[in-house]
Amino acid sequence: AQSVSQHNHHVILSEAASLELGCNYSYGGTVNLFWYVQYPGQHLQLLLKYFSGDPLVKGIKGFEAEFIKSKFSFNLRKPSVQWSDTAEYFCAVILNAGNMLTFGGGTRLMVKP
Amino acid sequence: DVKVTQSSRYLVKRTGEKVFLECVQDMDHENMFWYRQDPGLGLRLIYFSYDVKMKEKGDIPEGYSVSREKKERFSLILESASTNQTSMYLCASRQRDTGELFFGEGSRLTVL
Repeated sequence: AQSVSQHNHHVILSEAASLELGCNYSYGGTVNLFWYVQYPGQHLQLLLKYFSGDPLVKGIKGFEAEFIKSKFSFNLRKPSVQWSDTAEYFCAVILNAGNMLTFGGGTRLMVKP
Repeated sequence: DVKVTQSSRYLVKRTGEKVFLECVQDMDHENMFWYRQDPGLGLRLIYFSYDVKMKEKGDIPEGYSVSREKKERFSLILESASTNQTSMYLCASRQRDTGELFFGEGSRLTVL
């Protein structure tokens, strides 16, 4: 069965620090990849997505992610985090343009002011 | 803007009670989903529906059923609630061309 792994469950950073959150998936076929964010008390919203083309994708609020097919990875990055980035981040994968989106376990990010 | 509305933000039920969670979307999406969200486990798919009266089991369908009588509405039913069903339940609908899921604000269910 397909799985999505987010290795960091909790991350604590100071403002202006750089961020990288890991995401690995277990399937070698065609995938569509997503990062979602959930701010405290809010619903999940899309940060960015990759379907094809340039493996470096840029999303909202200065986030970007790089699809590395050989490593089955889609890590999320931000050069300089802000306190307002405190949230839970979820990586998700769809196989072969199917319907079912499989989520990773999430990473809770806390940014200290 | 796409809007996905879940009928109840917070519910408290007793073991054995029947629970209905309702979800409505306003963008004419064909695909709708029910997930549960638990700390450290992320989101796990319970059921999804790809059209009216069509449904498919997700990863954890046991103890749940669903109903999709109208395109805009997707209901999750717990026939006999148990304490291990205490969780946050998230409904989503999917935009066909982009694949993006749009989520509701969630329904936090506590089963005593």
